[in-house]
Amino acid sequence: AQSVTQLGSHVSVSEGALVLLRCNYSSSVPPYLFWYVQYPNQGLQLLLKYTTGATLVKGINGFEAEFKKSETSFHLTKPSAHMSDAAEYFCAVTKGQAGTALIFGKGTTLSVSS
Amino acid sequence: ETGVTQSPTHLIKTRGQQVTLRCSSQSGHNTVSWYQQALGQGPQFIFQYYREEENGRGNFPPRFSGLQFPNYSSELNVNALELDDSALYLCASTLDRATYEQYFGPGTRLTVT
Repeated sequence: AQSVTQLGSHVSVSEGALVLLRCNYSSSVPPYLFWYVQYPNQGLQLLLKYTTGATLVKGINGFEAEFKKSETSFHLTKPSAHMSDAAEYFCAVTKGQAGTALIFGKGTTLSVSS
Repeated sequence: ETGVTQSPTHLIKTRGQQVTLRCSSQSGHNTVSWYQQALGQGPQFIFQYYREEENGRGNFPPRFSGLQFPNYSSELNVNALELDDSALYLCASTLDRATYEQYFGPGTRLTVT
């Protein structure tokens, strides 16, 4: 069975500071990994994904994540936080088979202060 | 904007009632998935439809059922509503299953009293 653990339900940073949101996964098969962002009263927006190939993945809004198989991790980073980054972030995993479901973590709320 | 719309936005129902939630995808998006997101939790997979056939189901009872139509719209039906069914219900559609990218709608907030 696959699962996702997001360490830290709430992360607070200052504007301009590094953002680091942690995600560890469990999967018996090579995982496909995703980060989604959810703004209040909205659906989920895909930030980035890892399927195969380069382990450092760049996404939208300056975010990137690195797949580390040895650590079973897929942490999300951004060098400099903006106020507009404040939102809920979800890490998700799926099997590498077309049409399979996404398994989500519980989410991390990112707060950005000025 | 993902091009995925859901209706209604909010809904209040009484325990024991039945509810139908609707989702409309973009043309060509032949896979639709439904998720339940309880307050403070990540979305949980309910089921998926591909070309109008159920193509996978999560750990939800049979009173959760769905339909997908040829015009890329779909429905989630929940019978015998329980208080724990109160949640945000999200649908997500996929154009190219090989990309594994799911495009989410804004959700329907269901409150069961």
